[in-house]
Amino acid sequence: DGGITQSPKYLFRKEGQNVTLSCEQNLNHDAMYWYRQDPGQGLRLIYYSQIVNDFQKGDIAEGYSVSREKKESFPLTVTSAQKNPTAFYLCASSPRRQSSYNEQFFGPGTRLTVL
Amino acid sequence: GEDVEQSLFLSVREGDSSVINCTYTDSSSTYLYWYKQEPGAGLQLLTYIFSNMDMKQDQRLTVLLNKKDKHLSLRIADTQTGDSAIYFCAETPNRDDKIIFGKGTRLHILP
Repeated sequence: DGGITQSPKYLFRKEGQNVTLSCEQNLNHDAMYWYRQDPGQGLRLIYYSQIVNDFQKGDIAEGYSVSREKKESFPLTVTSAQKNPTAFYLCASSPRRQSSYNEQFFGPGTRLTVL
Repeated sequence: GEDVEQSLFLSVREGDSSVINCTYTDSSSTYLYWYKQEPGAGLQLLTYIFSNMDMKQDQRLTVLLNKKDKHLSLRIADTQTGDSAIYFCAETPNRDDKIIFGKGTRLHILP
């Protein structure tokens, strides 16, 4: 089955620890995205990557880091520098755009709680 | 700047029609989208409309676009309990690969 997976679904960490969230897709999509979702805030873009070995900061990149060594994988590290990391994290992917149409396919999300 | 606005909550009786409204600011957007998020899950594309269209209908869903006022609406006919979710309006500005999402409207179904 083709799709986008995120693991784990729930993650608990102590304050001051770095944590890495996994995102894998087998849709052969070129672009991948990380969003953070807080209640009443909608989705805020953290980082995105349009091609392997390249990525750009989104609107709230501070305290986060990413890598894109493989087309299928786009892990997100939440560092200890992120002041308020408890949130629901969503990963998405989209195919190479032939036009301005840009449908994004979302994973099921990871809920991170920092204690 | 880029902004997509929508009200945060809507309550509708089961069987009635739901209308979720959205305004956007970027007139260069050629596609506008409605995504649905069920509790504890990711988003799924529900429908989209191309900017040269005024209306698009897909079974119980009707999308209306007023490009002059930059207003988009989603009508769900015969609302069911399974329609209970958060609905996000989104636009794709022509110049980059980002999607701009609204904050989402939580649709609550009353029995």
